[in-house]
Amino acid sequence: DTGVSQNPRHKITKRGQNVTFRCDPISEHNRLYWYRQTLGQGPEFLTYFQNEAQLEKSRLLSDRFSAERPKGSFSTLEIQRTEQGDSAMYLCASTSIRGQGGNTEAFFGQGTRLTVV
Amino acid sequence: RKEVEQDPGPFNVPEGATVAFNCTYSNSASQSFFWYRQDCRKEPKLLMSVYSSGNEDGRFTAQLNRASQYISLLIRDSKLSDSATYLCVVTGGGFKTIFGAGTRLFVKA
Repeated sequence: DTGVSQNPRHKITKRGQNVTFRCDPISEHNRLYWYRQTLGQGPEFLTYFQNEAQLEKSRLLSDRFSAERPKGSFSTLEIQRTEQGDSAMYLCASTSIRGQGGNTEAFFGQGTRLTVV
Repeated sequence: RKEVEQDPGPFNVPEGATVAFNCTYSNSASQSFFWYRQDCRKEPKLLMSVYSSGNEDGRFTAQLNRASQYISLLIRDSKLSDSATYLCVVTGGGFKTIFGAGTRLFVKA
């Protein structure tokens, strides 16, 4: 399977615990994005990487959230001291650069559904 | 103002109807435009890219108006299987890919 892979698919955690999600993008894609999606809303941008560099982080993202892409391949998203409001689907997507500018289409993983109880 | 804004839904249409979705974007430096489809509890998947000259794929037609910063999607002869959420997607000048909130479509027999 050469698509985007996310692990785990589901995570239930107690409030206050830390959680970490992993995303393995399509190998030849150099851009990787994290989104959060709640019911009835579109994917909300969290952050993105070009290779190993984190180029932008949403202003909506609290400092409890951190993401890394240490070798420009897989990425991790960590949420510290989880709160009930963090419950959502966390989606990862990857793209590559289009020759005439912009991105190729984004391919998504199946997401990690987080439930904070 | 949101970076990408879409028509509020839901759209409820009978089979065979033609339905149009609109989307506006705020960043004039945006370079890539797409429509995605998302089924309930699934990840978004590409429906079609949107080109300046407009493009068609079967019953689906997408158009881009750069001057007005506006994108549209037209679905002709709606099928029950077209019921889904349609997401407008824009890649800005900084290569950040932004999604609209989505428009829900219900096609009924």
